[in-house]
Amino acid sequence: DQQVKQNSPSLSVQEGRISILNCDYTNSMFDYFLWYKKYPAEGPTFLISISSIKDKNEDGRFTVFLNKSAKHLSLHIVPSQPGDSAVYFCAASLNSGGSNYKLTFGKGTLLTVNP
Amino acid sequence: DAGITQSPRHKVTETGTPVTLRCHQTENHRYMYWYRQDPGHGLRLIHYSYGVKDTDKGEVSDGYSVSRSKTEDFLLTLESATSSQTSVYFCAISGVRGQETQYFGPGTRLLVL
Repeated sequence: DQQVKQNSPSLSVQEGRISILNCDYTNSMFDYFLWYKKYPAEGPTFLISISSIKDKNEDGRFTVFLNKSAKHLSLHIVPSQPGDSAVYFCAASLNSGGSNYKLTFGKGTLLTVNP
Repeated sequence: DAGITQSPRHKVTETGTPVTLRCHQTENHRYMYWYRQDPGHGLRLIHYSYGVKDTDKGEVSDGYSVSRSKTEDFLLTLESATSSQTSVYFCAISGVRGQETQYFGPGTRLLVL
C-alpha cells in the first residue's frame, strides 16, 4: 500500500514559468512533510518542509502548500530555472513513538526545465 | 552540507558473495538510515538506527542486516548478495534541523552479477 503518491512521473516546463509538483498521501497520522531534490549520481538534498500545523511554507523561489483535508501537498517553483531540472521526491514523517522519525517517500517526479 | 560519507561508492560483486557497505558521519547525530533507490520505487527504507547498538527494520529489510557499534558508523551487510539487490544505496542521518529532516550521503552503486 503506497502511502505517499506522486502521480506524475515527469513534468516539463519552460524557463521562467511556474513548476507545480504534486503529492498525495493516505495516512492522516503523517505530521511533517518534506521535499527533496535529486540530481543524477548524487544523494537527495533537502529542499523545503512543512509541519501539519501550517498550510504554507516559503523559501525563496520554493513554496510548499499543504491541504490536510484533501491529504495533498504541492511544491511551487517560481520562476523555474534550468538548474532546477532534477527528480523531486515528496516525503512524509510519522512520529512513531516519541523519538523514531521515519520518512515515507513517493516515487518521485522528474522535472525538466527547458531554456 | 552534513558530513556523511559512504564507501565504497561503486561495487560489482557476484551472486552469493557477502557485501558490506559503510556509512560514516561526522555530525554526531543519533539517527541513521539505510535506503535503496530503484526505478519505479523511489526511496525505500531498509533499516535504521536510533542509537549505538539500537536498530530496527524498515519496509524492505529481508536479506539485509545492519550494525552500529559507534555513533559515527552504520554498516549495511548483504549476507549473500542476489541480483535483486542490485541498486543504489543511500545512507541518511537526522538531527540537523529537527529529527524529521534527514540528510543523505552520496550513495553507493551496487551491481550484483
